[in-house]
Amino acid sequence: KAGVTQTPRYLIKTRGQQVTLSCSPISGHRSVSWYQQTPGQGLQFLFEYFSETQRNKGNFPGRFSGRQFSNSRSEMNVSTLELGDSALYLCASSWGLAGGRANTGELFFGEGSRLTVL
Amino acid sequence: AQKVTQAQTEISVVEKEDVTLDCVYETRDTTYYLFWYKQPPSGELVFLIRRNSFDEQNEISGRYSWNFQKSTSSFNFTITASQVVDSAVYFCALSEAINTGTASKLTFGTGTRLQVTL
Repeated sequence: KAGVTQTPRYLIKTRGQQVTLSCSPISGHRSVSWYQQTPGQGLQFLFEYFSETQRNKGNFPGRFSGRQFSNSRSEMNVSTLELGDSALYLCASSWGLAGGRANTGELFFGEGSRLTVL
Repeated sequence: AQKVTQAQTEISVVEKEDVTLDCVYETRDTTYYLFWYKQPPSGELVFLIRRNSFDEQNEISGRYSWNFQKSTSSFNFTITASQVVDSAVYFCALSEAINTGTASKLTFGTGTRLQVTL
């Protein structure tokens, strides 16, 4: 089955701009979470969506936001970009608690969107 | 607060050598889950194993084995007879109880880069 798809894979923005990243989860998965990966801070949890509702949020400023659509696809948005936002943004999907399936906690990750802010 | 420490930043071995990647964690939860993920150069994180806090049995999967010791808060990963294809960054991660619906909020260690050469 198709894996987690993230678009775009690479993008370059300038400070002050905003960016929207997209994530299509594995078919049937209803939980989508986002992580930021940087050399300095490592992998950090941004937020998780389940059935179109934000279920959990990490310690990031309000410039970072997300949403999930009825088909479980998710987008994250970063406004007023700063140099420090340059990172690999990883999306992961899982069953969540949906459909009676056992929630193994296994996350399926996409290849990420690499954002460079100049 | 949860914390995962991977003290080994980088390890280099020659093919066929055994190698152990260390992981030490901190949590106040009595129920929690531990994970290992592999990140090849393509970027996506690949799930390797999940362990819950009540199951201290060691596990072996092919050339991979995991040693979970609650007494020392460690969850170490050993690759036997390493191969060049094992070269990647390996992350240990911790999550609180999955039944609370927050399985997607993983706390990752900083990763260990494993380089296997011929």
